[in-house]
Amino acid sequence: NAGVTQTPKFRILKIGQSMTLQCAQDMNHNYMYWYRQDPGMGLKLIYYSVGAGITDKGEVPNGYNVSRSTTEDFPLRLELAAPSQTSVYFCASSYQVLNQPQHFGDGTRLSIL
Amino acid sequence: AQKITQTQPGMFVQEKEAVTLDCTYDTSDQSYGLFWYKQPSSGEMIFLIYQGSYDEQNATEGRYSLNFQKARKSANLVISASQLGDSAMYFCAMRESNTGNQFYFGTGTSLTVIP
Repeated sequence: NAGVTQTPKFRILKIGQSMTLQCAQDMNHNYMYWYRQDPGMGLKLIYYSVGAGITDKGEVPNGYNVSRSTTEDFPLRLELAAPSQTSVYFCASSYQVLNQPQHFGDGTRLSIL
Repeated sequence: AQKITQTQPGMFVQEKEAVTLDCTYDTSDQSYGLFWYKQPSSGEMIFLIYQGSYDEQNATEGRYSLNFQKARKSANLVISASQLGDSAMYFCAMRESNTGNQFYFGTGTSLTVIP
């Protein structure tokens, strides 16, 4: 009963480094999402995907890239990490049906120093 | 304009009392869904309750109920018989069909249950 799995759970990066946050879901959801949550704030959508091979920008896409080669996986890549990208990152997935909620991973806590 | 507005940054409630967390939404779509999520201090996002725009009755899930007032575009979460474990952030979200079933989240309300 894995649901949405995010790795790693914690990471510290130096300014200018790059990394990929992994997200996998085993519920055969076609919609997947990446959010960031800054301390004490709500969720901001970074990128989303409505199916394999299809991705689109959300509210705050600058500094990030995504790909969706399979239904299950939706990695988020940070290029040239900056302190402003220090945040908690959540991956979520859902069916495309209107009444279906998003299922969230446990989050990745990322610090850029 | 904000799609989802939560005007209460923080709320306090006495244990065993009921509490209402406010949520108003903005949409011109006829077909949409409203969701509430709980985020405890451990950080995970937990789905609580759903209300569809065409549902005539208010949704209920255990101690959670949704006070849905369509004309006022409000979808308030009511928690009855509050417990200490209810202390958390609560987020209201909307999904509307005319934007490709995208989700929109409010800024959240922090609820503290006082023993």
